[in-house]
Amino acid sequence: DTAVSQTPKYLVTQMGNDKSIKCEQNLGHDTMYWYKQDSKKFLKIMFSYNNKELIINETVPNRFSPKSPDKAHLNLHINSLELGDSAVYFCASSQVRGPTGELFFGEGSRLTVL
Amino acid sequence: AQSVTQPDIHITVSEGASLELRCNYSYGATPYLFWYVQSPGQGLQLLLKYFSGDTLVQGIKGFEAEFKRSQSSFNLRKPSVHWSDAAEYFCAVGAGSGGSNYKLTFGKGTLLTVNP
Repeated sequence: DTAVSQTPKYLVTQMGNDKSIKCEQNLGHDTMYWYKQDSKKFLKIMFSYNNKELIINETVPNRFSPKSPDKAHLNLHINSLELGDSAVYFCASSQVRGPTGELFFGEGSRLTVL
Repeated sequence: AQSVTQPDIHITVSEGASLELRCNYSYGATPYLFWYVQSPGQGLQLLLKYFSGDTLVQGIKGFEAEFKRSQSSFNLRKPSVHWSDAAEYFCAVGAGSGGSNYKLTFGKGTLLTVNP
């Protein structure tokens, strides 16, 4: 049983389109994250939610809108896709909100914008 | 703000050889330090972490890391590398309180290649 699962794993789309990535965790964690990994493998936090409340928003363009319908789900919707949005997006969760919380990652969703 | 530097982009070692991956961090207070591993096409998995106490920490898969405050370093080591250790390794620093300013910041990663 996958702890943190993301769908879809691969997404190829045209510039200007809107797309969503879904994430679900079955670990009972309160905190969930979206990270973006660029082509050079650099990982940067985008958003963090704690029990459905947005707690971190890292100056991400407002074309990106996270939504957490419940604490087990965190979805990412992207409007008006641009070439620079091509990346691997990782969802993660942690039991503890603070520094001691180990992050459990999903397998990533590779987004390619043509 | 905290930052992490992994000076080596790519390291190649022979199977059975020892390994050390370097990590330097910048943070004003006591950091929380982590090493994660990413196998091809996979998400990241925690290898080990340091919060306080003994500066030599043991992790999974035979890895260990040593925290050296004077050098702002948290280097990862393994005495004998296996072919299955080939992966990307990320050092990370967690800083801030448990509130909204807490963040985990990753280094740019070190790609490990293992030769037979």
